[in-house]
Amino acid sequence: QKEVEQNSGPLSVPEGAIASLNCTYSDRGSQSFFWYRQYSGKSPELIMSIYSNGDKEDGRFTAQLNKASQYVSLLIRDSQPSDSATYLCAVNWGEYGNKLVFGAGTILRVKS
Amino acid sequence: GAGVSQSPSNKVTEKGKDVELRCDPISGHTALYWYRQSLGQGLEFLIYFQGNSAPDKSGLPSDRFSAERTGGSVSTLTIQRTQQEDSAVYLCASSLAPAGGTDTQYFGPGTRLTVL
Repeated sequence: QKEVEQNSGPLSVPEGAIASLNCTYSDRGSQSFFWYRQYSGKSPELIMSIYSNGDKEDGRFTAQLNKASQYVSLLIRDSQPSDSATYLCAVNWGEYGNKLVFGAGTILRVKS
Repeated sequence: GAGVSQSPSNKVTEKGKDVELRCDPISGHTALYWYRQSLGQGLEFLIYFQGNSAPDKSGLPSDRFSAERTGGSVSTLTIQRTQQEDSAVYLCASSLAPAGGTDTQYFGPGTRLTVL
């Protein structure tokens, strides 16, 4: 079992729809969870961080965390073509807790 | 303020040569990380610095890879006797403090290494 798993996609949604991206992780000790967006040829940029069970909203983005199920998701409302990118789920890991383990990423395509 | 910077942005080298990649973290960030991203492998952790010391080197793939950080700022990742499988984008990230894993890491633009 991979440490952090994501569906590679591509996930295609029409403009204005809700995009739902999912991630599961294997380390029950993980405390910090991040969603990064990566455009082709660019470096990852942070979209959301979440540390507690429940929902966290920031503009059109909502992160959801369920530690019991070891599951974290990202919802993008009113999807725009500019949201088309690869979304990476990252989970803190290891003795020092700072190492990030990344999923393989989900490719999102928003069609106008 | 300036973000994380890396140099060079691209590096092409011949198999067997040594290369040095540089990272300049965000000013004031005490923690620095190296990752690499390659097709088929995703984004992999290499090494973590807190100040000038490296408490976690668990991701370095072989003893050909080494890294150092001086003055609590600039870091250099060195790959000796490069192999074709070393071809990847090497990403550096920094964070303000190692707050038990709750700290946000900010990435630089990366160095694309191609080993011929």
